[in-house]
Amino acid sequence: DVKVTQSSRYLVKRTGEKVFLECVQDMDHENMFWYRQDPGLGLRLIYFSYDVKMKEKGDIPEGYSVSREKKERFSLILESASTNQTSMYLCASSRDRNQPQHFGDGTRLSIL
Amino acid sequence: DQQVKQNSPSLSVQEGRISILNCDYTNSMFDYFLWYKKYPAEGPTFLISISSIKDKNEDGRFTVFLNKSAKHLSLHIVPSQPGDSAVYFCAAIGYNNNDMRFGAGTRLTVKP
Repeated sequence: DVKVTQSSRYLVKRTGEKVFLECVQDMDHENMFWYRQDPGLGLRLIYFSYDVKMKEKGDIPEGYSVSREKKERFSLILESASTNQTSMYLCASSRDRNQPQHFGDGTRLSIL
Repeated sequence: DQQVKQNSPSLSVQEGRISILNCDYTNSMFDYFLWYKKYPAEGPTFLISISSIKDKNEDGRFTVFLNKSAKHLSLHIVPSQPGDSAVYFCAAIGYNNNDMRFGAGTRLTVKP
């Protein structure tokens, strides 16, 4: 069965901290994605990657960076966390563009 | 600028009746459309999809209709069941793109 695992379900950090959100998929998928979900805004794409060491900006990349050193792992980095980055973060993967994305259960991140 | 819009934040229907969830898009380059279902504290799960070469796709109780000229798609659930209560997101993928755009979601409540 398809599995996307996000390292934390809940995370609380302080303003200015560097925050790492980890995502691992076991399906040998080429594409991986990071979204944030906010009320009334749905899912907004932060970054995606279609291959190891490759990354593309989504709609809202400001304040974030990503790393994909291995095919199965895609990390989202908040370089200096701010309160407006408090949100639900969702990781997803897909085999190719016309295949549905498989999502992890999300990380609810609170920045104090 | 939201390219995929779900204008109804919520919908309530009686068990056994039809649920109709609507979605509009603005980008004529979108050629593949999906519906996802999301329960609280879980990631979205894929429900049904449709390619732009079709105008209807059916899977059990779920049918998706696509009207390309109106840039509109809808999800019909017949008959609705209490277990269908969730947030439904429509999503679209553009031609030659790997990234997906989501609507803001519609919260469906099916009353017993």
